[in-house]
Amino acid sequence: GALVYQYPRRTICKSGTSMRMECQAVGFQATSVAWYRQSPQKTFELIALSTVNSAIKYEQNFTQEKFPISHPNLSFSSMTVLNAYLEDRGLYLCGAREGTGDTEVFFGKGTRLTVV
Amino acid sequence: GEQVEQLPSILRVQEGSSASINCSYEDSASNYFPWYKQEPGENPKLIIDIRSNMERKQIQELIVLLDKKAKRFSLHITDTQPGDSAMYFCAASRSSGSWQLIFGSGTQLTVMP
Repeated sequence: GALVYQYPRRTICKSGTSMRMECQAVGFQATSVAWYRQSPQKTFELIALSTVNSAIKYEQNFTQEKFPISHPNLSFSSMTVLNAYLEDRGLYLCGAREGTGDTEVFFGKGTRLTVV
Repeated sequence: GEQVEQLPSILRVQEGSSASINCSYEDSASNYFPWYKQEPGENPKLIIDIRSNMERKQIQELIVLLDKKAKRFSLHITDTQPGDSAMYFCAASRSSGSWQLIFGSGTQLTVMP
């Protein structure tokens, strides 16, 4: 079956430092990968959508300078949180789908970021 | 941009009764509406979805209804069980050739034995 693995599952970083999280698709080709942040209030915020061989599209309030994303092939994507501060804490979810139609989006279990 | 409103945020029902969650969206061109269930510490899992060419879809005890005119869709869980207790999120796809899912704010469902 189709699975999405995210690692690390949990991480703690000091305020002002950066951390990288990874997303691995197994059993399908991750043509598109969307990164979301689930805030302490439980809302999913879309950060950016990455499609292989296309430019990464960032949502309002999120920038490449703060959340650089790499999507080098159909099974892997990574995102870095640069200069993390308290407001960056939360659960970062990777959602991936195959193709470009309305197919199912598979989510990983997320990377929980704590900033101290 | 697209906003998805979801209500209620907290829902408690007695085991065996029905639970209903309602969502509304803004973009009339949205054409795909999935529902996700998320248990503590777990990833969100797709439980049922509906496309804009349908008004109703049922998978076992899950029923989704879509009213395109009113731009509303809803999830109904019949004969709820304690195992149905979880966070539920609705989502709507954004149009303009992209597939981004815009999520509602979630409903914490508790089924009381």
